[in-house]
Amino acid sequence: EPEVTQTPSHQVTQMGQEVILRCVPISNHLYFYWYRQILGQKVEFLVSFYNNEISEKSEIFDDQFSVERPDGSNFTLKIRSTKLEDSAMYFCAGLRDGSYEQYFGPGTRLTVT
Amino acid sequence: ELKVEQNPLFLSMQEGKNYTIYCNYSTTSDRLYWYRQDPGKSLESLFVLLSNGAVKQEGRLMASLDTKARLSTLHITAAVHDLSATYFCAVGGEFGNEKLTFGTGTRLTIIP
Repeated sequence: EPEVTQTPSHQVTQMGQEVILRCVPISNHLYFYWYRQILGQKVEFLVSFYNNEISEKSEIFDDQFSVERPDGSNFTLKIRSTKLEDSAMYFCAGLRDGSYEQYFGPGTRLTVT
Repeated sequence: ELKVEQNPLFLSMQEGKNYTIYCNYSTTSDRLYWYRQDPGKSLESLFVLLSNGAVKQEGRLMASLDTKARLSTLHITAAVHDLSATYFCAVGGEFGNEKLTFGTGTRLTIIP
């Protein structure tokens, strides 16, 4: 059964550095999402993406964040200048047209030191 | 702003017992999701509830949705140890392709 994949599984970076988190959605998915989960807390929506543009973003998704789907397969989340509070698990999710069930990837644990 | 609240936040129960997790949400929605998360792992979809009165069952878990009361329940029957996990409910948007708003989560521990 196809799965959403994410790389890397764990990223350690220094404060102020740029990171790019990568996701490969299931091939027939058209809607894409990034969520994050700070350790021990609930899952929070960051951004949704459809037809090569952002369809909705949360207050968390400020100018430090960007998303793109450069080659029709990878879906990336870039954090330009990481802060300590960006440390979290980041989940990518996908949804196919006409469905209601989002499929989540395994997550990338981002640690900012 | 949509608020999704779960209770209890923590639940410790003995094997063989029954219990219910509650999920309340603050705005009208017909789409309610339940996910399971094991420590350090991703979110596993358990149930998708798409209409008022929907009830779904899988093994020892049963989920229901009352959209008028803005309430969903996840009922655990005769709990076993491998059900220990954190359970999240999430509310979806009107058209099915919008973001999910997650509840606070219920950390369930089953004691042998």
